[in-house]
Amino acid sequence: AQSVTQLGSHVSVSEGALVLLRCNYSSSVPPYLFWYVQYPNQGLQLLLKYTSAATLVKGINGFEAEFKKSETSFHLTKPSAHMSDAAEYFCAVSDRRYSSASKIIFGSGTRLSIRP
Amino acid sequence: DAGVIQSPRHEVTEMGQEVTLRCKPISGHNSLFWYRQTMMRGLELLIYFNNNVPIDDSGMPEDRFSAKMPNASFSTLKIQPSEPRDSAVYFCASSAMAIGLAGGGANVLTFGAGSRLTVL
Repeated sequence: AQSVTQLGSHVSVSEGALVLLRCNYSSSVPPYLFWYVQYPNQGLQLLLKYTSAATLVKGINGFEAEFKKSETSFHLTKPSAHMSDAAEYFCAVSDRRYSSASKIIFGSGTRLSIRP
Repeated sequence: DAGVIQSPRHEVTEMGQEVTLRCKPISGHNSLFWYRQTMMRGLELLIYFNNNVPIDDSGMPEDRFSAKMPNASFSTLKIQPSEPRDSAVYFCASSAMAIGLAGGGANVLTFGAGSRLTVL
């Protein structure tokens, strides 16, 4: 069974500081990996996705994530935090079944707070 | 496109009442997912459909929950009878499965704004 583990339910950084949100996955086959963001009272929005084309994936709003197979990790980073980045971030995994829809399993989420 | 449309946005009901949540996916999307979000359990996959056919309903909590997708543009999630522990935000999401790629396609989900259910 596939799963993702997000380390740290709450991360707080200062504005302008590096953002690092951690995600480790478990999968018996090469996975697809995603990061989604949820702003208050809204649904989730895709930040970026990994589909094996490149291990370093760039997303929207200056975020990027690197797939590291040896570490089974897909951590999300942003060089300089902005107040508007305050939100809940979810890592997600799905498998690579051919010609069928796949389950997409979400981690427990990490709430990112930005200090002025 | 108006995105994934869910209704109602908010519902307050009493224990024992029937609740029906509705979802209109994005036109052309062939997969639809129902998730439930709570503080305690996070985001849980309840059921998903592909081409209107339920593929996996193992996340449906119990027989009180049922979901249907009578056509490509409409799905319902019904709770009967409702209980206070069903209080949560229910999200519908749809995706266009990229069939034909080696190893399958990557589902990118588009979420609705959610239906917040409170059962008293």
